Amino acid sequence: AQKVTQAQTEISVVEKEDVTLDCVYETRDTTYYLFWYKQPPSGELVFLIRRNSFDEQNEISGRYSWNFQKSTSSFNFTITASQVVDSAVYFCALKDDQAGTALIFGKGTTLSVSS
Amino acid sequence: DVKVTQSSRYLVKRTGEKVFLECVQDMDHENMFWYRQDPGLGLRLIYFSYDVKMKEKGDIPEGYSVSREKKERFSLILESASTNQTSMYLCASSAMEGLIDEQYFGPGTRLTVT
Repeated sequence: AQKVTQAQTEISVVEKEDVTLDCVYETRDTTYYLFWYKQPPSGELVFLIRRNSFDEQNEISGRYSWNFQKSTSSFNFTITASQVVDSAVYFCALKDDQAGTALIFGKGTTLSVSS
Repeated sequence: DVKVTQSSRYLVKRTGEKVFLECVQDMDHENMFWYRQDPGLGLRLIYFSYDVKMKEKGDIPEGYSVSREKKERFSLILESASTNQTSMYLCASSAMEGLIDEQYFGPGTRLTVT
């Protein structure tokens, strides 16, 4: 069965530190998609990135970067030089043929960045 | 911009009441979803709909029903609210599955059942 594991429940860092949020997934499908969402204190989940299983290139967007490694079934998210505004709950999610239209979410990692 | 709106940000209801949570999206999306979010459990899918009048059960449909009479609107119904349904409810929408579109979320409704 599909599964997404975010082993880190809570992480606390000080501004300007780099932080990596881990995501490990399980699927039997060869075609699947991985997502990261951010949920700030306001509550609305914000889409950050989508990756398909055939594209293992790492991606960088400003201070955000993602490391996708099929060999370890991981899709980790790094924030460089963290800022207080990065404080949020971050969710990793998986979509594959078995899940169909729905997303399978991890339990989330709460990131607290202090000044 | 895609917009998903939910009828209430906060709602307090009594045990046994019938509760309606409304969700509206303005992007002509085919798919709509209802999740509940609880601390330590992440997001769990209650129901989703891939077309008008069509619905599919998610992981935790017990105690809930849904209605989709119009493409833009997806309602979650608690027939007889119970205290264990106190939670944050999130609605989302996405385009056709074939396009592998991401889901867009509403701001959530925090429901308290007393």
